[in-house]
Amino acid sequence: GDSVTQMEGPVTLSEEAFLTINCTYTATGYPSLFWYVQYPGEGLQLLLKATKADDKGSNKGFEATYRKETTSFHLEKGSVQVSDSAVYFCALSDPGTNAGKSTFGDGTTLTVKP
Amino acid sequence: SQTIHQWPATLVQPVGSPLSLECTVEGTSNPNLYWYRQAAGRGLQLLFYSVGIGQISSEVPQNLSASRPQDRQFILSSKKLLLSDSGFYLCAWDHRDSPLHFGNGTRLTVT
Repeated sequence: GDSVTQMEGPVTLSEEAFLTINCTYTATGYPSLFWYVQYPGEGLQLLLKATKADDKGSNKGFEATYRKETTSFHLEKGSVQVSDSAVYFCALSDPGTNAGKSTFGDGTTLTVKP
Repeated sequence: SQTIHQWPATLVQPVGSPLSLECTVEGTSNPNLYWYRQAAGRGLQLLFYSVGIGQISSEVPQNLSASRPQDRQFILSSKKLLLSDSGFYLCAWDHRDSPLHFGNGTRLTVT
């Protein structure tokens, strides 16, 4: 079955540092890939997505590129802020499947210190 | 615009007591509705989903049940809570080919 593996956290960075959170997946076919962000005490919000190989999703300074050859969708940001402190989830959904039936990774907690 | 309401935000219940968590969606019709549980440090586990009134699919066997009495209302219930039911419960909705939208969650502690 499908699976998503994220780098284990927690990740602690200083403000303005470069961020990478690794995500690899296992799926049959060509899934859509997502990054969600969960701020403390809240539900998840879609951060970005990519629906086919070599697509780059981007939002709020975050980027991730759909790499079919390495089955990866790593999240990056060039300069993190304290307000980026949150839990980040990588997820995939099979073609023709609703987003609600996505497979989620375990989440990576990011703490950014001033 | 669409909004999703989930309540209560926090709940402390004794073992063996009943449970009812409610979720309502505004600003959209015929949404797909979902209940997830998020254990500490873990990802999301899909518990139930519904594609229409009265239509409930269970993803995992458990002590919980779900109902959808109205198009935009989704309820998570239990007759007798277990300690293992503690967790963070999230309601969400989507349409086909649309993003998933989450509520703010309910933190349930069973004592």
